[in-house]
Amino acid sequence: GNSVTQMEGPVTLSEEAFLTINCTYTATGYPSLFWYVQYPGEGLQLLLKATKADDKGSNKGFEATYRKETTSFHLEKGSVQVSDSAVYFCASKGGNSGGSNYKLTFGKGTLLTVNP
Amino acid sequence: DGGITQSPKYLFRKEGQNVTLSCEQNLNHDAMYWYRQDPGQGLRLIYYSQIVNDFQKGDIAEGYSVSREKKESFPLTVTSAQKNPTAFYLCASGTGGKMNTEAFFGQGTRLTVV
Repeated sequence: GNSVTQMEGPVTLSEEAFLTINCTYTATGYPSLFWYVQYPGEGLQLLLKATKADDKGSNKGFEATYRKETTSFHLEKGSVQVSDSAVYFCASKGGNSGGSNYKLTFGKGTLLTVNP
Repeated sequence: DGGITQSPKYLFRKEGQNVTLSCEQNLNHDAMYWYRQDPGQGLRLIYYSQIVNDFQKGDIAEGYSVSREKKESFPLTVTSAQKNPTAFYLCASGTGGKMNTEAFFGQGTRLTVV
């Protein structure tokens, strides 16, 4: 089945700093890839997604590009804000021969804290 | 408003008691999921259902049971056989079978067993 490995946290940045959170995946084929964000005490919200190689997902200043050569989907933002403080999860779905397309597989999450 | 509703938000139970967590969706989604979240471990899949009256075990199904009698509802029972039930439980739904579609999450239920 799929697996997802993402950068261990916590990550602490100052406001307006550049953010990168690394994510790599393993799958026998080409899964769809997602970034979710979780604010304290809440469920997960979809941040962005990419469904095929070289696709770039973007939302709220965040971007991630699906790189099949490096099996990666790194999350970036050029200038973070205090309100971006949250836990970020990378996830994959499908792309396994004979496997289920129903299951989302998550990384362990990366806690981001942005200080003013 | 369309969405996924989990209730209650906080739940306390004594050790040895079964407890049922509610999850309802009005998004007309075929697939529903239960995940467990523990600090530092990300989300782990407990059970999922692709369609009414059908469900499959996820990665950590032991000590849990589910039912899917209606499309809108997917309750999770945490039984006394679950050795470490204290956790944050997240329900999700989605269109399921299509690889490029995301899951939508509820606000979660924090279960504490004392």
